[in-house]
Amino acid sequence: GAVVSQHPSWVICKSGTSVKIECRSLDFQATTMFWYRQFPKQSLMLMATSNEGSKATYEQGVEKDKFLINHASLTLSTLTVTSAHPEDSSFYICSAAQTGKTQYFGPGTRLLVL
Amino acid sequence: GENVEQHPSTLSVQEGDSAVIKCTYSDSASNYFPWYKQELGKGPQLIIDIRSNVGEKKDQRIAVTLNKTAKHFSLHITETQPEDSAVYFCAASYMTGNQFYFGTGTSLTVIP
Repeated sequence: GAVVSQHPSWVICKSGTSVKIECRSLDFQATTMFWYRQFPKQSLMLMATSNEGSKATYEQGVEKDKFLINHASLTLSTLTVTSAHPEDSSFYICSAAQTGKTQYFGPGTRLLVL
Repeated sequence: GENVEQHPSTLSVQEGDSAVIKCTYSDSASNYFPWYKQELGKGPQLIIDIRSNVGEKKDQRIAVTLNKTAKHFSLHITETQPEDSAVYFCAASYMTGNQFYFGTGTSLTVIP
């Protein structure tokens, strides 16, 4: 149990385009989903927290207009990187949690912006 | 806010030896402490966790100890195997499901 999937697992796009990453909790309903960014050999950096049906809460320094987060259902959250640039290239990881329970992480999405 | 420190940043052990990774936290209100294993190119996987009302928890070769007074917790891996090689992250949170504060990670290498 407690499986979280992400799609796609990797994506290459041209500078200026938008990319959507999906995060799904496959066998449980996630009241909260989290989006992280991870640079090579570094820890996870929380970007935003989203609760189903509510607007996401972004961490300081994260541009909400650039990283659009939608949590439309208890099993799906999406992160859209708008007008992507090479500096947005990174490993993006989501996690999902039920109320009062731990976070389970997805396998990550590697984004390369050319 | 919470600040989690993790040591060492890298650790090499011979196969069969034990490995210990230590974390400290700053906020005494934190009451949930998970440990994650992350293999290269993959997402973190929960390997063990402990709540503040427990001092020690064990799951086969993996154990976690918590000292609330000193605000530190440790991961112990016994009889290490090459497949234990990965990056390990500790985290602290006020309650499960809330924001996690991660340590900086420990890259463990088990030498066959």
